[in-house]
Amino acid sequence: GDSVTQMEGPVTLSEEAFLTINCTYTATGYPSLFWYVQYPGEGLQLLLKATKADDKGSNKGFEATYRKETTSFHLEKGSVQVSDSAVYFCALSSRGNQGGKLIFGQGTELSVKP
Amino acid sequence: ETGVTQSPTHLIKTRGQQVTLRCSSQSGHNTVSWYQQALGQGPQFIFQYYREEENGRGNFPPRFSGLQFPNYSSELNVNALELDDSALYLCASSLEGTMSDTQYFGPGTRLTVL
Repeated sequence: GDSVTQMEGPVTLSEEAFLTINCTYTATGYPSLFWYVQYPGEGLQLLLKATKADDKGSNKGFEATYRKETTSFHLEKGSVQVSDSAVYFCALSSRGNQGGKLIFGQGTELSVKP
Repeated sequence: ETGVTQSPTHLIKTRGQQVTLRCSSQSGHNTVSWYQQALGQGPQFIFQYYREEENGRGNFPPRFSGLQFPNYSSELNVNALELDDSALYLCASSLEGTMSDTQYFGPGTRLTVL
């Protein structure tokens, strides 16, 4: 079945460092891809999305490009801030006979130090 | 625009009891999905409701059941609670029937089963 694999955390960076969180997926058809962020004690917030191959999603300095040839959707940010500390989830939208469910990776915890 | 709201915020139950969690979807959305997020894990799809009918179900036993009301709000009911049901329960709303499959999440209900 469909699945998402993320790089394991925790990832610890200094402020203003470059961030990459790897995400690869397995899916039949052409899913939409998402990055969600979860701050401590909160629900999930949509960070960005891409709906077809070569689309680039971007928001708040974060970017990710839908790469069909490598089945990847890596998250990047050029200069992280302490306020970016959170858990990041990569997800795909899988339809078929189970409705429009989201399939999530296991999450990558990011800690940014001043 | 009103976001997704959930109640209660926290809940403590004992094994064998029953629980009802509630969700109000984002204004204009007609589809509600429920997810279970165990500590340190990504969310797992429980089921989705569209037009008051179940529109897909994940690998959860029948003691997990739901309802959607005409105003698109929803309930998640869990019978015969087990210790492993302790988790954060997330509700997400979306607008089915369009090309967008983006789901927007509420803050979650933290359920502890003792």
